[in-house]
Amino acid sequence: QKEVEQNSGPLSVPEGAIASLNCTYSDRGSQSFFWYRQYSGKSPELIMFIYSNGDKEDGRFTAQLNKASQYVSLLIRDSQPSDSATYLCAVSSNTGKLIFGQGTTLQVKP
Amino acid sequence: SAVISQKPSRDICQRGTSLTIQCQVDSQVTMMFWYRQQPGQSLTLIATANQGSEATYESGFVIDKFPISRPNLTFSTLTVSNMSPEDSSIYLCSVVAGGLETQYFGPGTRLLVL
Repeated sequence: QKEVEQNSGPLSVPEGAIASLNCTYSDRGSQSFFWYRQYSGKSPELIMFIYSNGDKEDGRFTAQLNKASQYVSLLIRDSQPSDSATYLCAVSSNTGKLIFGQGTTLQVKP
Repeated sequence: SAVISQKPSRDICQRGTSLTIQCQVDSQVTMMFWYRQQPGQSLTLIATANQGSEATYESGFVIDKFPISRPNLTFSTLTVSNMSPEDSSIYLCSVVAGGLETQYFGPGTRLLVL
């Protein structure tokens, strides 16, 4: 079992829709959870982090964490073509190291 | 966050040679890491660069192949030694900045080994 799992996609949504990206992790001791966006040919860019159960909102982005189910998600409201990218879920234990999922490719179609 | 630069941004190298990649940060940071991203793959941690001591390598990565230096809190180098085509990847440094264990990535070095 992979430590951090994501559906590789591609996930295709129409412009203006809500994109829902999901991630599960195996280590119950994980403390911190991150979402990175990576455009083709670019390095990962941090867009959200979450530490506590529940929802965290930042503009059009909402991260959701359920530690009991070992599940993290990222919702993107009013999706735009510029949101088309690969979204990487990363999980950190108390060592500070990040373990990345394989990433989900999101395509937002005009 | 922190401003991170890497040199070179890309290179094409011959099999059997070595390449040293530099990572420079605009502020002192405690934790610095080196990752590899092979084509079409996610990020894999190579090692934690420790200031003033030997780097801590992850399983599957060894110092002879990927020697790392970190002479101060703003700079680190990663050398890819005795390269083979399988080393063709993007190499990224990252730092923890702004507290709360958040990691920020440099622009990456795109390496092609022929």
